[in-house]
Amino acid sequence: AQRVTQPEKLLSVFKGAPVELKCNYSYSGSPELFWYVQYSRQRLQLLLRHISRESIKGFTADLNKGETSFHLKKPFAQEEDSAMYYCALSSTSGTYKYIFGTGTRLKVLA
Amino acid sequence: GAVVSQHPSRVICKSGTSVKIECRSLDFQATTMFWYRQFPKQSLMLMATSNEGSKATYEQGVEKDKFLINHASLTLSTLTVTSAHPEDSSFYICSATDRPNTEAFFGQGTRLTVV
Repeated sequence: AQRVTQPEKLLSVFKGAPVELKCNYSYSGSPELFWYVQYSRQRLQLLLRHISRESIKGFTADLNKGETSFHLKKPFAQEEDSAMYYCALSSTSGTYKYIFGTGTRLKVLA
Repeated sequence: GAVVSQHPSRVICKSGTSVKIECRSLDFQATTMFWYRQFPKQSLMLMATSNEGSKATYEQGVEKDKFLINHASLTLSTLTVTSAHPEDSSFYICSATDRPNTEAFFGQGTRLTVV
């Protein structure tokens, strides 16, 4: 079964500290993985996707197929990074689906 | 990025009535639309996937007859909550893609309250 797991509901870090938001997935094929962010009172928006291998707002994420992980990282957290982060998996094996992890709320403290 | 408009943003209805929520892609052709339900402080739970011109595919545990989904055009999908009950109160969100495995664009969500 397809599943996305984000073990941490809340992650608090101090400004300037490194951040790692964990994401593990379960999928039998080759998934497309994404990170979405939701700032306060805004809709979800794409932060980055694994296939593009780019850095957005200082965030990066590497797909590790061996560990089935797609952790989101940033070396120095900023207060404006405080938001809800969702890891998502898109699959076309069988029915096309777009499923989300439970989300991690990141709080960056001054 | 592309824009998805969801309407209404907030609706209150009486128990036993039906409510329709619209999801429109404003500047692209949404071949696939997804409907999610989000409970307070929880993640988005996929309810169904709809492709233009075909029947929606519902996730396990989601009642097809209760949550009617129509995707008659490449820019519009609707979710109708039939015979709504207080337990249907929730935040409903739609998203759309124009191709598989690409970025999904989200509506702003609809807060449904059934009284």
